[in-house]
Amino acid sequence: SQTIHQWPATLVQPVGSPLSLECTVEGTSNPNLYWYRQAAGRGLQLLFYSVGIGQISSEVPQNLSASRPQDRQFILSSKKLLLSDSGFYLCAWSGGEGGRSGNTIYFGEGSWLTVV
Amino acid sequence: AQTVTQSQPEMSVQEAETVTLSCTYDTSESDYYLFWYKQPPSRQMILVIRQEAYKQQNATENRFSVNFQKAAKSFSLKISDSQLGDAAMYFCAYKGYGNKLVFGAGTILRVKS
Repeated sequence: SQTIHQWPATLVQPVGSPLSLECTVEGTSNPNLYWYRQAAGRGLQLLFYSVGIGQISSEVPQNLSASRPQDRQFILSSKKLLLSDSGFYLCAWSGGEGGRSGNTIYFGEGSWLTVV
Repeated sequence: AQTVTQSQPEMSVQEAETVTLSCTYDTSESDYYLFWYKQPPSRQMILVIRQEAYKQQNATENRFSVNFQKAAKSFSLKISDSQLGDAAMYFCAYKGYGNKLVFGAGTILRVKS
């Protein structure tokens, strides 16, 4: 069965410091990968998605970047964090093989980021 | 662009009773998927139920069922025999031809014992 893991679960970082959140998926190949952010306990905002190695689409201009160095690895980064980057970050995946089964998105456990 | 609207910020239900959460969406696409996700205090997003727009039959998963009205673009979630563990934030979501999952603002469900 497929599983998704992301880490760290909790992170407290000073303003101006770098960020790296990692996400890996197991049990599938060529997944679509996503990074979402949830601020203020409400709706989710799509930040980045990737349909393959090195292929990143950005949904909103921001202080963050994403990379996909391996098929099942997705990394969210920042060179210099801002206070407004605080929030709950969720990695997610969907089947990349296409067809109707590839349309359900499954989420990781999430990472709490507090920028102080 | 597709939008998803959840008009109920909060709902309450007595344990063992039934509650319905509302969701409407707007799209010009003909083939799409609709989802309900549950987010408990742990914050992990858990898939509750999924509906494929081309299927007329409403999806069911144990105590969870949907009322999918394609013409009205309505997709409500019914929870039967509510349990304390059902207390959570519930999100309605839409996925069309693209890779994006569009979420509603969420509904907080409180279950009273």
